[in-house]
Formats: sequence, C-alpha cells, structure tokens
Amino acid sequence: QVQLYQSGPGLVKPSQTLSLTCAISGDHISSNRAAWNWLRQSPSRGFEWLGRTYYRSKWYNDYATFVKGRIMFNSDTSRNQFSLQLNSVTPGDTAVYYCAREVTKLGTNYGLGVWGQGTSVTVSS
Amino acid sequence: DTQMTQSPSTLSASIGDRVTISCRTSQSITDWLAWYQQRPGKPPKLLMYQGSRLERGVSSRFSGSGSGTDFTLTINNLQPDDFAVYYCQQYKTYPWTFGQGTRVEI
Repeated sequence: QVQLYQSGPGLVKPSQTLSLTCAISGDHISSNRAAWNWLRQSPSRGFEWLGRTYYRSKWYNDYATFVKGRIMFNSDTSRNQFSLQLNSVTPGDTAVYYCAREVTKLGTNYGLGVWGQGTSVTVSS
Repeated sequence: DTQMTQSPSTLSASIGDRVTISCRTSQSITDWLAWYQQRPGKPPKLLMYQGSRLERGVSSRFSGSGSGTDFTLTINNLQPDDFAVYYCQQYKTYPWTFGQGTRVEI
C-alpha cells in the first residue's frame, strides 16, 4: 500500500522560503509509472496544481506558470522522498499543501490516487 | 488554462437518493478527467479516472460519464458517508485544473 507522509513548518514569514518534504512508502520515487505532484488548497482559490516531478531515464519537472521562477522540486532517491521549495512567499501563498502520486501506465492516466495528509501553511510575520 | 465549471455548488439530498454532479470544461479534454471526494480536514479521495473508470476499492454506486467538455458524476443510493464535497479535475493540459467543488448535504 502506497503512502505519502508530509513534513515541514506550518508558519513561514513573508519573503522567506516555504519548504515541504513528502516521504514515500510502498513505491519508489524513480518508478517509471509514477509522477509526484504538489498541489495546494485555499478557501479563496480552491485547488491549485503547483507542478510535478518524475523520472523517465532522467528527471523531469513540470511547474505551473503562476509559480514558475519561485518554485523548485528536489528528489532524493536515497531517502525515497521529494520536496518543494517556494521562494519569496506572500500571505497569498497561505494554503493547505498536498503531495500526491499520479500513475500512468500503457497510455492510461490513473489520476491522483494517493495523497499526503496535507500541511497547513500560513504566511505571516 | 482549462477552466472547470461544476454545478450545482450545493446539492441537498436524502439517504437513498440518486444525485448527479456536472462538470464542464472550457475546452475539450477528451476523457482526461478525474473525480474526487473530500471530507472535512482530509485530503481528496480519488473516485473516478479517465472520465468513467472506477478507482479500485470505490463503491460501484459511483459512476462517471462524458467526454469532450461535458462530464457527469452520479451517485446512486446515497449513503451517510457520501455527504462530502466533490471535485472534478482535468489532466489533459497543463496546468491541471479543478472545479470549484459541489457540496452534497442533507
């Protein structure tokens, strides 16, 4: 059974960097069928997909345009985890952040079938 | 970006009812659509993928249909556990986008 466990601070000061980690159990981060997504949810903007990282002979990162330039993903194969860094945060980045696994096999995308528990992040001084 | 419009925003129903939730997209996504259920304080739970394919372990009371720009999630014989918020999500084009949600309440 695949599980994702998130960790990271719940309070970040404006202009600083938000850092979250998602640890994977039951699958491997380098799986050629999986992609590892980051999303967030807030009352004002609903769900926002931030991007994903995946390995297909090499690492690929897809970022949502609205955070491009501020966001970076890292993948740690030795710890089987991936992380999100969002720079220069503002109160507008306050949200519940989720990691999620997406599986694609033989042309079928099975959706975001496994989610982390969520991390509520507040950007405030 | 592909805009997602769900309707209704809120749906009042009773145990045993059959309910339908609509999701319309601003451009064709063929069948690259998923449905999720979310309960308060919990992450979303995947119900359907590729428009009409039931996720393993999800009750067969849930069904999905549609293609192109119009999709429907149907819940038959509504049960107490089904009172939640439902979201559609497209994964045809970046960025993945979600509907605003439909709350199913008693």
